[in-house]
Amino acid sequence: GEDVEQSLFLSVREGDSSVINCTYTDSSSTYLYWYKQEPGAGLQLLTYIFSNMDMKQDQRLTVLLNKKDKHLSLRIADTQTGDSAIYFCAESTTGNTPLVFGKGTRLSVIA
Amino acid sequence: SQTIHQWPATLVQPVGSPLSLECTVEGTSNPNLYWYRQAAGRGLQLLFYSVGIGQISSEVPQNLSASRPQDRQFILSSKKLLLSDSGFYLCAWSVRSTEAFFGQGTRLTVV
Repeated sequence: GEDVEQSLFLSVREGDSSVINCTYTDSSSTYLYWYKQEPGAGLQLLTYIFSNMDMKQDQRLTVLLNKKDKHLSLRIADTQTGDSAIYFCAESTTGNTPLVFGKGTRLSVIA
Repeated sequence: SQTIHQWPATLVQPVGSPLSLECTVEGTSNPNLYWYRQAAGRGLQLLFYSVGIGQISSEVPQNLSASRPQDRQFILSSKKLLLSDSGFYLCAWSVRSTEAFFGQGTRLTVV
């Protein structure tokens, strides 16, 4: 079945850039998503990219997609302490199938 | 605009007691509905999803069940809770396989 893999932890200093990586196996993925989960809260959709794009930028967030390698990354510029959270990568295909989530990357920002 | 309500926010239940968690969505029709569980320090586990009233797909065999009595209502139940049922339960909705929107979650502790 489909699988989405992420590293579990990332630690960066405040002001540096963070890069969170994700790989997926389903070559028929149509959308790829990044969600943010703050402690004790639900998941918040941060951004998404359609599979025929290779880059999307939204303020401090840059999403890069390498469809050939099935690799997705989220870059957060000028990382702040408020960016500390768990970040989930997810993918979807067409139809009614549920999104497939990775296990999440816990980002810790050191002041 | 669409909103999702999930309650209660926290719940402490003894082993062997029943469970009922409720989720309702406003502002959309015929959404796909999902129940996820997030154990401490782990990723999201899809428990159930529904593409319509009375249509429930179970992803993981366990002592939980789900029902969808109305188009925008999704209920997670158990007749007898186990210690291993403790976790953070998240309800979500989507329009077909596009991005999912999450409720704020229910922290369930079985004692």
